Amino acid sequence: QVQLQESGPGLVKPSQTLSLTCTVSGDSVSGGDYFWNWIRQPPGKGLEWIGYISYSGNTQYNPSLKSRVSISLDTSKNQFSLQLSTVTAADTAVYYCVTEVPPATFVSWGQGTLVTVSS
Amino acid sequence: QSALTQPPSASGSLGQSVTISCTGTTSDIGAYDFVSWYQQHPGKAPKFVIFEVNKRPSGVPARFSGSKSGNTASLTISGLQTEDEADYYCLSYTGDNRIFGGGTKLTVL
Repeated sequence: QVQLQESGPGLVKPSQTLSLTCTVSGDSVSGGDYFWNWIRQPPGKGLEWIGYISYSGNTQYNPSLKSRVSISLDTSKNQFSLQLSTVTAADTAVYYCVTEVPPATFVSWGQGTLVTVSS
Repeated sequence: QSALTQPPSASGSLGQSVTISCTGTTSDIGAYDFVSWYQQHPGKAPKFVIFEVNKRPSGVPARFSGSKSGNTASLTISGLQTEDEADYYCLSYTGDNRIFGGGTKLTVL
């Protein structure tokens, strides 16, 4: 069973870049079994898919966020990361890292981390 | 790309059945048999209960079932239990992307 743990700042200032890391245990991010996703949930609202990176480094992003998002792999640390630039209050959310059995079955979720955008 | 359409709320009595719908388009639900459903209790991460329209992962009770007709997918929970009270989200593959429904809050009466 893959386990995932998000980490990163809980508070980001408007216009800055949000950076989160997901540490993976129980499988290798370069192993080929999964796509590695980020999903977010604003307080009291629904889920929004942000994007994924495959074991080989191919990425796909939500078109509504594509201009501001980057997802990367660090195989040496068995981690993957999210960067979201030029944030506003609308980016305040719980951010989850999630494994996907492609296509589109999200099988394992991290516990989530709340990121608040505020000055 | 708009979210898939789910009713904001649904309810059913203990032991009864309830069906939650998820309506998309010919570009998502109507085009692919890759619809999944997620259960989320307050303050917890979501958990998948149905994948590929109608398959149940191990450990999910058989009273959870899924189906699809045209552009609409459905999740049916029979023999409702108190622990089924939660938010439910559908998700569809769209070729390149993935898209969630807006979520349905299920109340067990």
